[in-house]
Amino acid sequence: QVQLVESGGGVVQPGRSLRLSCAASGFTFSDYAMHWVRQAPGKGLEWVALILYDGNNKFYADSVRGRFTISRDNSENTLYLQMNSLRAEDTALYFCVRSPPGRYYFDNWGQGSPVTVSS
Amino acid sequence: EIVLTQSPATLSLSPGERATLSCRASQSITTYLAWYQQRPGQAPRLLIYDASNRAADIPARFSGSGSGTDFTLTISSLEPEDFAVYSCQQRSSWPYTFGQGTKLEIK
Repeated sequence: QVQLVESGGGVVQPGRSLRLSCAASGFTFSDYAMHWVRQAPGKGLEWVALILYDGNNKFYADSVRGRFTISRDNSENTLYLQMNSLRAEDTALYFCVRSPPGRYYFDNWGQGSPVTVSS
Repeated sequence: EIVLTQSPATLSLSPGERATLSCRASQSITTYLAWYQQRPGQAPRLLIYDASNRAADIPARFSGSGSGTDFTLTISSLEPEDFAVYSCQQRSSWPYTFGQGTKLEIK
């Protein structure tokens, strides 16, 4: 079965960096677009970033563009999110999410990796 | 950016009752709408995609309808495990956006 397991979250000071990883299994990772979606405490869901199956095209929410970088290693079946210049408003649970080929809804979710930005 | 507005914010019903949840888009999204269920402490789960298609392993009591700007998620007869937060999401245009959620609680 499809499994997405995030890691790398934690507590970090404002302005610092953090890198999230997502280990994928149970499907052909290189066939699928992948996303990061976040959820601030007690709030709704916010799409953060998308990377297409081959890693050549990436898209970002305005709130993170220029600070966050999404990447993938198809040989290792792993998705990444490099987060720089972190702000308090980036505090959230970050989900690694898969979408079916050519259809950008979210059919499989990881359990999430918590990120807290606080001094 | 397309804004999705869900109503009501909270819906209080009893097991066995019918639930009707609404999602309205700020502009037409044809049928590019999905619905998700999120139980406390869990990740969201895809219920409905492209407005009316049930995702794999989703019970038949869940159905979706609508097109353009107005969409509905219906749960025909509530089971205890259905009490959760429901969110809609559009994939018509960037950035992909979610509604703020409807909390379905036990009356």
